[in-house]
Amino acid sequence: QKEVEQNSGPLSVPEGAIASLNCTYSDRGSQSFFWYRQYSGKSPELIMFIYSNGDKEDGRFTAQLNKASQYVSLLIRDSQPSDSATYLCAVNQGNKLVFGAGTILRVKS
Amino acid sequence: EAQVTQNPRYLITVTGKKLTVTCSQNMNHEYMSWYRQDPGLGLRQIYYSMNVEVTDKGDVPEGYKVSRKEKRNFPLILESPSPNQTSLYFCASSLERVGGYTFGSGTRLTVV
Repeated sequence: QKEVEQNSGPLSVPEGAIASLNCTYSDRGSQSFFWYRQYSGKSPELIMFIYSNGDKEDGRFTAQLNKASQYVSLLIRDSQPSDSATYLCAVNQGNKLVFGAGTILRVKS
Repeated sequence: EAQVTQNPRYLITVTGKKLTVTCSQNMNHEYMSWYRQDPGLGLRQIYYSMNVEVTDKGDVPEGYKVSRKEKRNFPLILESPSPNQTSLYFCASSLERVGGYTFGSGTRLTVV
């Protein structure tokens, strides 16, 4: 069983819609959760982090964490074509940061 | 500009020829890490370092070495590269022990 699981997609949404990206993890001791965005041919860039149960909002992005269900999600409101990218979920395991394989998001105009 | 600099960006080499990929950060970050990225497998951690002279294995350390003699530099060494080490490599650094990483631009390595 993979330690951090994401649906590979592609997830296609129309411009202006809400994109919902999901991630599950296996280590109950994990405390830190991150979302990175990676455009094709580029390096990953951090867009959100969350440490506590509940929601955390930053502009059009909302990260949601449920430690009991070992589930973290990213919502992108008012999706734009420029949001089309691969979204990587990352979870700490002790000193290590473990990444999921990523979900491809396509926003169609 | 705050950044992580990797060199080279592209490298084609032959099996068994030792090579070093350099990584340098100018943000005074204590925590540095090397990842490789392969299609379908995502980013996998090779080695990480929590400070000068402190390094530890990640999930796929076989065939790689690292050193951390200075805070800003964290080179990745392949003593005897093999074709299964053909991959896209990223160096990353962060201020916190496990925090938000700043990634370098990547090194695409091909071993023939």
